[in-house]
Amino acid sequence: GAVVSQHPSWVICKSGTSVKIECRSLDFQATTMFWYRQFPKQSLMLMATSNEGSKATYEQGVEKDKFLINHASLTLSTLTVTSAHPEDSSFYICSARYRFGTDTQYFGPGTRLTVL
Amino acid sequence: QKEVEQNSGPLSVPEGAIASLNCTYSDRGSQSFFWYRQYSGKSPELIMSIYSNGDKEDGRFTAQLNKASQYVSLLIRDSQPSDSATYLCAPNGALTFGSGTRLQVQP
Repeated sequence: GAVVSQHPSWVICKSGTSVKIECRSLDFQATTMFWYRQFPKQSLMLMATSNEGSKATYEQGVEKDKFLINHASLTLSTLTVTSAHPEDSSFYICSARYRFGTDTQYFGPGTRLTVL
Repeated sequence: QKEVEQNSGPLSVPEGAIASLNCTYSDRGSQSFFWYRQYSGKSPELIMSIYSNGDKEDGRFTAQLNKASQYVSLLIRDSQPSDSATYLCAPNGALTFGSGTRLQVQP
């Protein structure tokens, strides 16, 4: 149980385009999902917290107009990187927390974004 | 002071030895503690959670928590080369991660 998927697993896009990344909890309902970014040899950095049916909460320094997050259901959250630039190239990882019970987070496999 | 502090390593141990990974945290109100393992190029995977002071064992892994000292550790017995990864300590629902400790198990 507690499986989180992400799609796509990798994506290459041109500078200036937008990219959407999906995060799904496959076998449980997740009230809260989290989006992280990880640059090579660096730690995970929380970008935003996504709650079903409400606006995402962004961490300081993360542009909410650039990284659009939608959490339309208890099993799906999406991150859209708008007007992507090469510096947005990174490993994007989502995680999901059970609707009920513990505060354990389960991570998706990640999406590697390369912006040319 | 950082919220979570871990020795970045690398911590190198021979195969079959015990690897000891340590973590200190600053939030005295932290109630839950998680250890994740992250292989290079992959996302983190949950190894263990611990909520109460003392030890919690799961197979070759033992988590130890001392809330008074704001210290949590992970022991890996009979270390295997496949344990070579970065280990992340995360108090309180794992929103804040330290840089992790890179473990290398030498065959």
